[in-house]
Amino acid sequence: DGGITQSPKYLFRKEGQNVTLSCEQNLNHDAMYWYRQDPGQGLRLIYYSQIVNDFQKGDIAEGYSVSREKKESFPLTVTSAQKNPTAFYLCASSIGGTGSEPQHFGDGTRLSIL
Amino acid sequence: GQNIDQPTEMTATEGAIVQINCTYQTSGFNGLFWYQQHAGEAPTFLSYNVLDGLEEKGRFSSFLSRSKGYSYLLLKELQMKDSASYLCAVRDSNYQLIWGAGTKLIIKP
Repeated sequence: DGGITQSPKYLFRKEGQNVTLSCEQNLNHDAMYWYRQDPGQGLRLIYYSQIVNDFQKGDIAEGYSVSREKKESFPLTVTSAQKNPTAFYLCASSIGGTGSEPQHFGDGTRLSIL
Repeated sequence: GQNIDQPTEMTATEGAIVQINCTYQTSGFNGLFWYQQHAGEAPTFLSYNVLDGLEEKGRFSSFLSRSKGYSYLLLKELQMKDSASYLCAVRDSNYQLIWGAGTKLIIKP
């Protein structure tokens, strides 16, 4: 079955620790995205990538880093510089980014501070 | 700045019809999406509008007026499983999606 797989489903971070959230897709989509979802707010874009080996900052990139070494994979690292990391993180992918094609989402990773 | 407004919460009765409104002010417009999101789960795509008018998909329809910066999602014959949040998102001039905070729809028997 084609889809987007995020892992882990739940993640706990200690002070000063970097953690990495995994996102893998087998939809053969070129574009991939990372969003953060907080209660009462819309999804906010952290980073996106339109093609392998290239990515762009979104609206709230500070304290986060990504890589896009393979088309299928777009991991997100939440660094210790991100002072308020507790949120629901969603990875998405799409065929492109300019037409009617929607973004497809993974099931999310819920990150909490220990 | 860019802004998407939706009601925070709505309540409706099983079997009835409900309309969820979305107004937007964005830098440019390249389409509007509606998604459904059950609590703790991924958003799933419902509909896309880029031209004015109504798009119908089974029990769900979505309407767009670009001149008014306005869209609505119409859900007919409501079922208990329709209890979820409904997210409106607009693709701006940079082809980025700007998201509303979502409308939590509660269905009562």
